[in-house]
Amino acid sequence: EAQVTQNPRYLITVTGKKLTVTCSQNMNHEYMSWYRQDPGLGLRQIYYSMNVEVTDKGDVPEGYKVSRKEKRNFPLILESPSPNQTSLYFCASSFAGLADTQYFGPGTRLTVL
Amino acid sequence: GEDVEQSLFLSVREGDSSVINCTYTDSSSTYLYWYKQEPGAGLQLLTYIFSNMDMKQDQRLTVLLNKKDKHLSLRIADTQTGDSAIYFCAETTSGTYKYIFGTGTRLKVLA
Repeated sequence: EAQVTQNPRYLITVTGKKLTVTCSQNMNHEYMSWYRQDPGLGLRQIYYSMNVEVTDKGDVPEGYKVSRKEKRNFPLILESPSPNQTSLYFCASSFAGLADTQYFGPGTRLTVL
Repeated sequence: GEDVEQSLFLSVREGDSSVINCTYTDSSSTYLYWYKQEPGAGLQLLTYIFSNMDMKQDQRLTVLLNKKDKHLSLRIADTQTGDSAIYFCAETTSGTYKYIFGTGTRLKVLA
């Protein structure tokens, strides 16, 4: 089944404790992206990647890192999480064109205490 | 910077038409999209329109684009209870693969 998977689905952590949220897709997509969803703010793009070793900042990259060492994986790293990073995070992937459908993962709900 | 705005809520009766509106600020937008998010799920693409088009129809969905006013709308004909969800408009700009999403409109369909 074609899908985007994220792990973990739920995470509660404490300020300053490094964490990684994994994202994997099995559709051979070039484009991958991370978003955060907050009430009243909609979705905001954190980082995106056009292909292996090619990443670029979205609208809200501060406090996040990403890497794209393999085509299928695009982990999101929070080196020192803070409470304002409590949010619902989505990973998405698509073929490279802007007219191509972005497929979204199921989301990761992160709480930073 | 770019900004995409939507009203937060819309309530309609089953069988009526729904119209969800969106305004954007970036005049160099190339593609504009409508996504649907059902409770507890990720987003799914409903439809998109290229910026040189005025209208696109896909079954019960009609997208209208007014480039002069930077206004995008999604009309859902014969709205059903299964259409209850949050609807997001989004845009991308020529030369970049950065997506700008709106705040989302929560559609509630009353039986």
